[in-house]
Amino acid sequence: AQSVTQLDSHVSVSEGTPVLLRCNYSSSYSPSLFWYVQHPNKGLQLLLKYTSAATLVKGINGFEAEFKKSETSFHLTKPSAHMSDAAEYFCVVSGTGNMLTFGGGTRLMVKP
Amino acid sequence: KAGVTQTPRYLIKTRGQQVTLSCSPISGHRSVSWYQQTPGQGLQFLFEYFSETQRNKGNFPGRFSGRQFSNSRSEMNVSTLELGDSALYLCASRLAGGSSYEQYFGPGTRLTVT
Repeated sequence: AQSVTQLDSHVSVSEGTPVLLRCNYSSSYSPSLFWYVQHPNKGLQLLLKYTSAATLVKGINGFEAEFKKSETSFHLTKPSAHMSDAAEYFCVVSGTGNMLTFGGGTRLMVKP
Repeated sequence: KAGVTQTPRYLIKTRGQQVTLSCSPISGHRSVSWYQQTPGQGLQFLFEYFSETQRNKGNFPGRFSGRQFSNSRSEMNVSTLELGDSALYLCASRLAGGSSYEQYFGPGTRLTVT
């Protein structure tokens, strides 16, 4: 069985400050991990993925995530938030049976 | 390449009716998955099709069914609609069936059941 926990349902930052969205996972196998972003009334867009290569993964729009097996974490970061980053972010694990299991989502708010 | 397309984008149905949603994957993608998104339950996996065969199914009642055609297009059907079926239904496609392949999502179909 696999599961994903996003530790914060809401995160608020000021424009230009760093972003940290936290994600812990549980999987019986070596998982593939993803971060997706969903803007209002839109589908999900892939930000980045980890598939057992480099533990630090770079994605689009300046986001990156670090896979830490010992901590079973896959936190998403960005050095400087932009207003356009305001959206909901989902941490996702793909493992057994190739099914995607989604975290509950983190709504990122960016203040001017 | 064109992205994943879903039709219709919005749908209003009455309890007890049935509905069919359509998904066209990215050209060349053979796997199509369906998800239900609601404020209360979040994103939940419905089923995945690969080469016209259902490979995985989530924990949904038998009223939810799907199929995939030889051109990889997929349809999802919900019979005997209930109010709780109101949701955003998302379709995603990927190149192949391995777990390392990322899924690309369509814009979704917003279903409202009254």
